[in-house]
Amino acid sequence: AAGVIQSPRHLIKEKRETATLKCYPISRHDTVYWYQQGPGQDPQFLISFYEKMQSDKGSIPDRFSAQQFSDYHSELNMSSLELGDSALYFCASSLGQGGTTDTQYFGPGTRLTVL
Amino acid sequence: GNSVTQMEGPVTLSEEAFLTINCTYTATGYPSLFWYVQYPGEGLQLLLKATKADDKGSNKGFEATYRKETTSFHLEKGSVQVSDSAVYFCALSVNTGTASKLTFGTGTRLQVTL
Repeated sequence: AAGVIQSPRHLIKEKRETATLKCYPISRHDTVYWYQQGPGQDPQFLISFYEKMQSDKGSIPDRFSAQQFSDYHSELNMSSLELGDSALYFCASSLGQGGTTDTQYFGPGTRLTVL
Repeated sequence: GNSVTQMEGPVTLSEEAFLTINCTYTATGYPSLFWYVQYPGEGLQLLLKATKADDKGSNKGFEATYRKETTSFHLEKGSVQVSDSAVYFCALSVNTGTASKLTFGTGTRLQVTL
């Protein structure tokens, strides 16, 4: 079965530009999570969606927004990009209502570089 | 709040050596515990998990036991291979009734040499 798909895999932007990252969850998975991993750091939770509704919010800047669509794919929109936004952005998906036994499966990540 | 503490790396071992990577946690509520592995240039892969006390997760020769009394979930492997070189993340999630985010430790880099 296909895993979590993220696009693009690499993205280079200038400061103050906008970026859109896309995530396609595993088939039938209804929950999507976004994480940000800075260089040499652990992944930090940004936001999650269950059944197209925002479920939880972490340390996501106000410049970022996200949504989950009717086909369960999700997009992370990032505006007014800053140098500090350069990171690896992971999407993960799971099936179920968010119980702790729901294993999150991660995509390969999008590497965003802000110049 | 929730947090995970891992031993700092890098951990350098010779092939066929015994591996232990320590992980302890604090959590509000009853967490599930996970080990994820990240190979160079790749995403996070679930290695193993345990959802309740005394559960043992195992996969590819790696094992970890959920110890509630010591709030630990140490990762072990009896004989490491060069191909095990990667960064290992310990993580937890607590059921909040909706999508349960993962809280990660800082990661431990393992280098296995011939």
